[in-house]
Amino acid sequence: DTGVSQDPRHKITKRGQNVTFRCDPISEHNRLYWYRQTLGQGPEFLTYFQNEAQLEKSRLLSDRFSAERPKGSFSTLEIQRTEQGDSAMYLCASSLADSTDTQYFGPGTRLTVL
Amino acid sequence: DAKTTQPNSMESNEEEPVHLPCNHSTISGTDYIHWYRQLPSQGPEYVIHGLTSNVNNRMASLAIAEDRKSSTLILHRATLRDAAVYYCILPYNYGQNFVFGPGTRLSVLP
Repeated sequence: DTGVSQDPRHKITKRGQNVTFRCDPISEHNRLYWYRQTLGQGPEFLTYFQNEAQLEKSRLLSDRFSAERPKGSFSTLEIQRTEQGDSAMYLCASSLADSTDTQYFGPGTRLTVL
Repeated sequence: DAKTTQPNSMESNEEEPVHLPCNHSTISGTDYIHWYRQLPSQGPEYVIHGLTSNVNNRMASLAIAEDRKSSTLILHRATLRDAAVYYCILPYNYGQNFVFGPGTRLSVLP
């Protein structure tokens, strides 16, 4: 197993465009998380799934953001009508739903909105 | 929600031990203490976790105070590759997500 993968690694877009990111978790992990990280800050939680169910969404996740995990495997995060303030690193993590809930992170997708 | 406090930055010389402290005075009895580190332009990397007893793995050791209100991540011999931001994290919402603080930026001097 190669760990959590994310695609693309970098995305540059113009303001107002829609973007979609993909995350492939570690295969046996049933929990999947999305975080956002801006320069100089720690990652901020956005949302998480247990299998295909989206169980929690942060207040940071505005109506322009939507995440899916249709078959309980990979997940997508879409941002509609991007704004310059959306520029950040978007991180995905996965974990087993056990007592420790140790999360393993992917390399992230760096989004730049011009 | 359990909260952690870490120094903003620390320095170490190469090949010397490093002790990174974390205070978590509001920890609950079932909270695991997790440590991650993040190198520039990479995702956070799992380092170690523990509940009550001290823990060792190939990367580091975790020393947990008897009252569990503080812990220390120990890198036994710092290398230049250990220069990173180190995060001490307690789970939020029954372990279903993490709340990252600003962490400790570790610089390793050759």
